[in-house]
Amino acid sequence: KQEVTQIPAALSVPEGENLVLNCSFTDSAIYNLQWFRQDPGKGLTSLLLIQSSQREQTSGRLNASLDKSSGRSTLYIAASQPGDSATYLCAVSPHRMNAGNMLTFGGGTRLMVKP
Amino acid sequence: DGGITQSPKYLFRKEGQNVTLSCEQNLNHDAMYWYRQDPGQGLRLIYYSQIVNDFQKGDIAEGYSVSREKKESFPLTVTSAQKNPTAFYLCASSFAVGGGTEAFFGQGTRLTVV
Repeated sequence: KQEVTQIPAALSVPEGENLVLNCSFTDSAIYNLQWFRQDPGKGLTSLLLIQSSQREQTSGRLNASLDKSSGRSTLYIAASQPGDSATYLCAVSPHRMNAGNMLTFGGGTRLMVKP
Repeated sequence: DGGITQSPKYLFRKEGQNVTLSCEQNLNHDAMYWYRQDPGQGLRLIYYSQIVNDFQKGDIAEGYSVSREKKESFPLTVTSAQKNPTAFYLCASSFAVGGGTEAFFGQGTRLTVV
């Protein structure tokens, strides 16, 4: 059974720092990996989607990498801002027939960026 | 605006009651999903549907039921058999049945047992 782990569980940094969030998964047979942001009491906002054949994706100050063979992904946030404070979740979809895009989630990293 | 709409935002359930959570999407997505989120935990899959009139159990389907009579709608019923229903419920949708496409989420429904 796929298991997804995110480290650290919580992170507090001063504004302006570059930071890295880590995600690992136990089964490398994935279709894609998706990073989400969740604000308190809200739904999930999709940040980046990496297909299993890709190595990285970039959107603005965010860069996500994927090493499928080692079961790891990182989310790099450049020049962090207080508005980046949220919980970041990674999720993987299985590479098998009729599985749809059902996702297995990690427990999330709660990020606080202090002004 | 295209998106996923969940209602209500807050829902209170008395012991022994069934309640239904609504999820509607206008993204023309084939597949829809229901997840449950408990404090300090990741999301867990309850049910998913890849096509109208068909749905599959996820990891924690006991005490829940769904229907998919229309492509746009995927309501979730929390039955009295669900012994610990207090949680945050999230609905999602995506294109394609083979995976590999981006999933989009609604704003969630917080269910509390009173």
